[in-house]
Amino acid sequence: DSGVTQTPKHLITATGQRVTLRCSPRSGDLSVYWYQQSLDQGLQFLIQYYNGEERAKGNILERFSAQQFPDLHSELNLSSLELGDSALYFCASSLIQGGEAFFGQGTRLTVV
Amino acid sequence: DAKTTQPPSMDCAEGRAANLPCNHSTISGNEYVYWYRQIHSQGPQYIIHGLKNNETNEMASLIITEDRKSSTLILPHATLRDTAVYYCIVRDNNDMRFGAGTRLTVKP
Repeated sequence: DSGVTQTPKHLITATGQRVTLRCSPRSGDLSVYWYQQSLDQGLQFLIQYYNGEERAKGNILERFSAQQFPDLHSELNLSSLELGDSALYFCASSLIQGGEAFFGQGTRLTVV
Repeated sequence: DAKTTQPPSMDCAEGRAANLPCNHSTISGNEYVYWYRQIHSQGPQYIIHGLKNNETNEMASLIITEDRKSSTLILPHATLRDTAVYYCIVRDNNDMRFGAGTRLTVKP
């Protein structure tokens, strides 16, 4: 158990809908990262937050947004969902901006 | 742009050492080398990291060349449970981007 909690574990929704994925980092970790992994594909970096502020942005679509709250949990919002958004979404956390990161077990999103 | 180059796949016999290479010829002075692995569709697992000195922990050893342009992750006694995709990442204090990694298959 990495200490990073992602909810829900599974999510099935229809095209055009909006969903929110939640990540609780390890206790004391200030940095949160989000990744997308489509079937048999690599891990695509989406966005990084540190202590509530956005620090780095990767290949995140405009339909997607994220934030990190004062209690340090983070949410990834996905809107106007398309079939191609079906993927595993991973969250990771680290104590500092750099350093080793620990991953949650992911949320499997299926868009039908 | 990928900062690292890794072979797409490797095999290793169970009980033998697995040596996974990584090229990072454009690494800059403040960037660390990190290794993670992903078993099937589980969340990636941190293995080890280093700046310029060789590092060892309970999971693996990391050997970084003197010019820092390449490194090798060593799993000293590979087991079947070490079958996974291994990612070598070069990063500073910001984003952490994964390449395609090396798929290591440990065979009985």
